[in-house]
Amino acid sequence: NAGVMQNPRHLVRRRGQEARLRCSPMKGHSHVYWYRQLPEEGLKFMVYLQKENIIDESGMPKERFSAEFPKEGPSILRIQQVVRGDSAAYFCASSPGRNNEKLLFGSGTQLSVL
Amino acid sequence: GQQLNQSPQSMFIQEGEDVSMNCTSSSIFNTWLWYKQEPGEGPVLLIALYKAGELTSNGRLTAQFGITRKDSFLNISASIPSDVGIYFCAHSGAGSYQLTFGKGTKLSVIP
Repeated sequence: NAGVMQNPRHLVRRRGQEARLRCSPMKGHSHVYWYRQLPEEGLKFMVYLQKENIIDESGMPKERFSAEFPKEGPSILRIQQVVRGDSAAYFCASSPGRNNEKLLFGSGTQLSVL
Repeated sequence: GQQLNQSPQSMFIQEGEDVSMNCTSSSIFNTWLWYKQEPGEGPVLLIALYKAGELTSNGRLTAQFGITRKDSFLNISASIPSDVGIYFCAHSGAGSYQLTFGKGTKLSVIP
């Protein structure tokens, strides 16, 4: 029973390109969360989704960032026109409900913008 | 936003020593969570605390929810090399799904 799967593990983009980060939640989990971690920092909440719905995107930058969790397939975090400041580790987590104790994190995608 | 202050920022200890780290905030919380993050991985929950004064153990790890509800500490007894990693405290507000993380305590264990 695989846990939360994120891919790619590492993604290199040049400034101005698009980055797509994918997250498949643990089987049976319908709640997905994205967090960003800058070097030497803790994780910061970005967005919370349930199937086909964005519940809370209060942590998302207003421009260039979007997230979706379609009925079929993984959750996608999309960053358009990447800039160097977007370089970070992006973690996805999933849970069966809103219980934080059952939150499971993936291994993350390390985004590097050249 | 609410900030969590973790100390120390980093520590180097000899294998077999005990470790203590803490987390403080200016706000009152209903939940304290302690996570460990190993290099290249996501954080893994170690201990969850839900009540002021609560003391909970998980193997060699012990964590306490401060009486004032504004702090928590994590102790690791008889450290071993695999304890290496970054330890984060985190909290969520009442009924909230959002976690706020501290900046972490980086632990290095010298064999």
